[in-house]
Amino acid sequence: DAMVIQNPRYQVTQFGKPVTLSCSQTLNHNVMYWYQQKSSQAPKLLFHYYDKDFNNEADTPDNFQSRRPNTSFCFLDIRSPGLGDAAMYLCATSNGNRGHNQPQHFGDGTRLSIL
Amino acid sequence: AQTVTQSQPEMSVQEAETVTLSCTYDTSENNYYLFWYKQPPSRQMILVIRQEAYKQQNATENRFSVNFQKAAKSFSLKISDSQLGDTAMYFCAFMGQGAQKLVFGQGTRLTINP
Repeated sequence: DAMVIQNPRYQVTQFGKPVTLSCSQTLNHNVMYWYQQKSSQAPKLLFHYYDKDFNNEADTPDNFQSRRPNTSFCFLDIRSPGLGDAAMYLCATSNGNRGHNQPQHFGDGTRLSIL
Repeated sequence: AQTVTQSQPEMSVQEAETVTLSCTYDTSENNYYLFWYKQPPSRQMILVIRQEAYKQQNATENRFSVNFQKAAKSFSLKISDSQLGDTAMYFCAFMGQGAQKLVFGQGTRLTINP
């Protein structure tokens, strides 16, 4: 089945130690998103790629970076994680080639813990 | 900027009952899209139902239907014959015309009791 896959499901890192979360998709969607979701809160958009074009949200800290080497993969890099970065990170995709306002398809998320 | 408000942080009903989740939004746009997403505990977020603002007819997907009141900027979700598997966090979301980004409400935690 076509899907959005996030690895790992759980990630533990140390305070200040760089960490990378990965997302892959078999939907061939051209738009990919990264969200941060803290407990019992709505997902907060960090950035998204429309094809190769990177779109950063104004309030996303510089500590968060992203890479999209090809259509299928997208990475979230946290350069120096702080305790406040502990959260669930959601990857989502949508088919922007079908026009705007297409539904987003989400992965299972990666829960990041900071020691 | 658009905002989405879900005024019910938590709801709880018995299995087989009907439940309605509220959502209001604020926008100056005339054409836009509204969504309800479901996020079960420790599981992925999935789309429940979608409504185009230019369509007057309320969207329906099996047991899920919406009451879209454009003038009132209201977009409630009705779940009929609720099932245990409907237990989840429900997010109302807005997407503007030509946009690629969702604006989420705060969510409503729905519990279906046996």
